[in-house]
Amino acid sequence: QKEVEQNSGPLSVPEGAIASLNCTYSDRGSQSFFWYRQYSGKSPELIMFIYSNGDKEDGRFTAQLNKASQYVSLLIRDSQPSDSATYLCAVNMFSGGYNKLIFGAGTRLAVHP
Amino acid sequence: GAVVSQHPSWVICKSGTSVKIECRSLDFQATTMFWYRQFPKQSLMLMATSNEGSKATYEQGVEKDKFLINHASLTLSTLTVTSAHPEDSSFYICSARTGQGGTEAFFGQGTRLTVV
Repeated sequence: QKEVEQNSGPLSVPEGAIASLNCTYSDRGSQSFFWYRQYSGKSPELIMFIYSNGDKEDGRFTAQLNKASQYVSLLIRDSQPSDSATYLCAVNMFSGGYNKLIFGAGTRLAVHP
Repeated sequence: GAVVSQHPSWVICKSGTSVKIECRSLDFQATTMFWYRQFPKQSLMLMATSNEGSKATYEQGVEKDKFLINHASLTLSTLTVTSAHPEDSSFYICSARTGQGGTEAFFGQGTRLTVV
């Protein structure tokens, strides 16, 4: 089982719709979770992080965390063509004496006008 | 957010030569930096954890002698790809955290390495 799993997509949504991106993780001890956006050929940029169960909202983005189900999601409201990118779920895991960020494979999102 | 600068942004080298990539934290001190590699349409794979003043910790399957990591100061880590071969061509990205494990990681711009 992969440590962090995401549906690779592509997820295609019309402009203005809600995009829902999902992620599951294997380490029950993980406490912090991150969503990054990556445009082609660029390095990832942080969108949101979440530590507590429940929802966390920031503008058009909402992160949801359910530690019991080992599930974290990202909702993008009013999706725009500029949101088209690969979204990476990252989970902080303690391994080998260090806290490491382990990434999922990413979900490609395509927002069409 | 904190700024991590990576240099060069792209490099082309001949097979058998070595390439050094620098990663600097510009406005904070990073005791730990991370090096990732990303192949096209794949996710970031952690290669190693770089620790200031001590040896790097490599992930399973990553050759220590091929990917030399030096973290000589609190603001600089370097990755040297030794005796590069075409299969080493990839996108290499460094990241650094401003604090302990729960804090976000900031990424450098990445280095596109092409070995011909």
